[in-house]
Amino acid sequence: NAGVTQTPKFQVLKTGQSMTLQCAQDMNHNSMYWYRQDPGMGLRLIYYSASEGTTDKGEVPNGYNVSRLNKREFSLRLESAAPSQTSVYFCASSDKKAGHHTQYFGPGTRLTVL
Amino acid sequence: SQQGEEDPQALSIQEGENATMNCSYKTSINNLQWYRQNSGRGLVHLILIRSNEREKHSGRLRVTLDTSKKSSSLLITASRAADTASYFCATDRMDTGRRALTFGSGTRLQVQP
Repeated sequence: NAGVTQTPKFQVLKTGQSMTLQCAQDMNHNSMYWYRQDPGMGLRLIYYSASEGTTDKGEVPNGYNVSRLNKREFSLRLESAAPSQTSVYFCASSDKKAGHHTQYFGPGTRLTVL
Repeated sequence: SQQGEEDPQALSIQEGENATMNCSYKTSINNLQWYRQNSGRGLVHLILIRSNEREKHSGRLRVTLDTSKKSSSLLITASRAADTASYFCATDRMDTGRRALTFGSGTRLQVQP
């Protein structure tokens, strides 16, 4: 039981390049999330998927797209990377238990855009 | 803007002392959660307190919630060097209509051995 896994762990891009961050969970959770964390700050929600087949924008969606490929996988795509997207990206999943969502996080992807 | 604001931003204590972190938020909530993040790692859930609860305990953790003041505190008793980490509060808000948490900016706790 690996929980939430993310690939890659590190990535360096040049401005304008594209890439996809992969996330998978093996807990059979319905909901999945993508956050970014900038130095000295908390997490900001980029996109989330409440269930397979649905995706919704979070606080900071501009410059990103997502795909909920199936119940296990939720990918985040940067079509044309910008230096402002240098950050650590976390994927999380959750399911409703006793009326509440507790989130389980992956180890993060550290992205640098030059 | 950040829903949760932790106070202090950084805290340094000696092993064995208690550590108290505070969180303030702005909107009505369903529940409030505390997470821990070790350096370079993902967040790990510590404890959840519902909006109709005032206090909750889990091992060396004690969480309080005051919905009238829109604030919460996390107390770690008898701290250990291994408690060194950043601690974040996260609110399950009633106003956004989305099932996602809103995180504060965190308190960095350093426990000196």
